[in-house]
Formats: sequence, structure tokens, C-alpha cells
Amino acid sequence: GQQVMQIPQYQHVQEGEDFTTYCNSSTTLSNIQWYKQRPGGHPVFLIQLVKSGEVKKQKRLTFQFGEAKKNSSLHITATQTTDVGTYFCAVPSNSGYALNFGKGTSLLVTP
Amino acid sequence: GAVVSQHPSWVICKSGTSVKIECRSLDFQATTMFWYRQFPKQSLMLMATSNEGSKATYEQGVEKDKFLINHASLTLSTLTVTSAHPEDSSFYICSARGTSGPGTQYFGPGTRLTVL
Repeated sequence: GQQVMQIPQYQHVQEGEDFTTYCNSSTTLSNIQWYKQRPGGHPVFLIQLVKSGEVKKQKRLTFQFGEAKKNSSLHITATQTTDVGTYFCAVPSNSGYALNFGKGTSLLVTP
Repeated sequence: GAVVSQHPSWVICKSGTSVKIECRSLDFQATTMFWYRQFPKQSLMLMATSNEGSKATYEQGVEKDKFLINHASLTLSTLTVTSAHPEDSSFYICSARGTSGPGTQYFGPGTRLTVL
């Protein structure tokens, strides 16, 4: 199945600073999904990107899918303490509908 | 939105006992459900794909005789951890895929299993 590498593993920012996490694949991806997991919680679906070069925004979050569909990023503008959590990218597995998750980026935001 | 529940939310058991975890899609039919395991500070690892009315498909390295999966209806899948050992302690999360749409998965709240 498709695999994906995610960096950085951790990021600690001051409230108000920006944050970006990246996912990269050696193969072309059919689509990529992004999830957020709060401490002690379960993954919550944020978005799915399908088209080459796609850019989608959700308030302060901007999601990009690379032109070659091999990389993606999630950018948060002016972070808030409510953004704390681990952000995972996920791509289709061999099973087709199951997901292979990146290792995640844990974001810590201090006031 | 689509809601997936899991029961129990946490369980503590003795080594050697079996534990059953239920995953239910509450407001939609899920022909396919997935079981993931997440160790502390690690990512989710797919264990198996559960298809209603047929045998589950297990990922490489996952013992099918230890992790029994039953998907008896379009809204219920169960994972039974048989003869649990301390190394089976983990966060088990199920997800369900609806029968329509782009294939978004909806995750249950997870079950934290601690084996003493």
C-alpha cells in the first residue's frame, strides 16, 4: 500500500505563531486525508485532498496537495491553545479503503 | 454527522482472559469497519479490515487467532482479544466507512485496554 513520511515529529510554538506539518510519499497518492487527535481522544477527520495542486482552507488551517500528488502540508496560522494535539496524515492502504497513517506531528502551544 | 461508538471505553483485565470490544455505527450503515491499535505516543496501526458477512482481512503480523473479529451486521463489529497479555495493552480504535461518499472514515472514541 501507499506509505507516507511525516515531519516534524514534535513542534512547540508560542500562541500566535504559525505551524506547519508535512507529509511525503515516494509514490503518487490517490488522495490524502488529515486528522487531528487531541490528547486522550480519537482521530477526528479534518479534510481529504484529491486533486493535484489542491488547496483547501478551514478558518486558520490551510491544506495543500502537491502538484505531483506526492506531498501534502497542513499549515495553521496564528496558533491557539485549542490547536494542541497530534496531526496525522493518512493515505489509502493495500486494502483500498483502510488507511495508513503517518507518524503524526504533536503540536504543543504555550500561551 | 456520522457517529461511531465503542464499548467499553476502557477495560482492565487479568492476563489470560479474553476481552470483547464492540464498535457500532449509530446513524449509518457500514459495510466495512477497520480496527486500529495505537501504542502511547505512536501512530495508529491498522490491524484488520472487517467486512459485513465475511471473514476479516488481517494485516501482516497480526494474529487472527488472537484478535477475533466478527462483523455480524451493517452496524456492529466486534474485536475479541483472546488470552490477553500485558503486551496487548493498548488503545484500540475502530472506524467505519459509510456506503456512500468519498470514503471518509469515522472513528470511534477508542477503547483503552490494560492487561495486568
